[in-house]
Amino acid sequence: KNEVEQSPQNLTAQEGEFITINCSYSVGISALHWLQQHPGGGIVSLFMLSSGKKKHGRLIATINIQEKHSSLHITASHPRDSAVYICAVIGGADGLTFGKGTHLIIQP
Amino acid sequence: EPEVTQTPSHQVTQMGQEVILRCVPISNHLYFYWYRQILGQKVEFLVSFYNNEISEKSEIFDDQFSVERPDGSNFTLKIRSTKLEDSAMYFCASSNRHSFTNEKLFFGSGTQLSVL
Repeated sequence: KNEVEQSPQNLTAQEGEFITINCSYSVGISALHWLQQHPGGGIVSLFMLSSGKKKHGRLIATINIQEKHSSLHITASHPRDSAVYICAVIGGADGLTFGKGTHLIIQP
Repeated sequence: EPEVTQTPSHQVTQMGQEVILRCVPISNHLYFYWYRQILGQKVEFLVSFYNNEISEKSEIFDDQFSVERPDGSNFTLKIRSTKLEDSAMYFCASSNRHSFTNEKLFFGSGTQLSVL
């Protein structure tokens, strides 16, 4: 069973700061999702990646399959980025395996 | 952007009662999923469904759970005899291809189930 660890668990930063959230997993995977969960509970898929790097607006996601590690970066962070960011890996018979999430608060 | 719709947003039931959670996936999607999140815990995979049958399920998805796509648009999760520990937020998701490959997932806004 894949163990998915995210760090940090909680992160508070000032508006404009560069944010990095990390995800590591124990068993090799085919791909990984980064998800955003809003305070109301809704989940939005941000990225699905299996190699390299993807960018969407101020969000950048990278993955190193060999090192079993992925990062999510937010540039020029804004209070509306405040949410829980969840890493979920693909592989195995149990579908997606989710990390516990990183609680991000961006203060104005 | 197209949306996955879930109803109801909140469901309160008595222990031992049957509940049906409803989802309308995005119309051209072929793969459908249920996930749950117990308060304060991580999201957990329950089941995936393709071509009118279950393709993957987790150990959580025992005989008390069933899924159905009764009419080509709705995708339902039934819990036959609810237990207190079934209280959670249940998310439906859909995708055009299998989420276990290279495909973005679209999530519904969830149904908060409270079992009393």
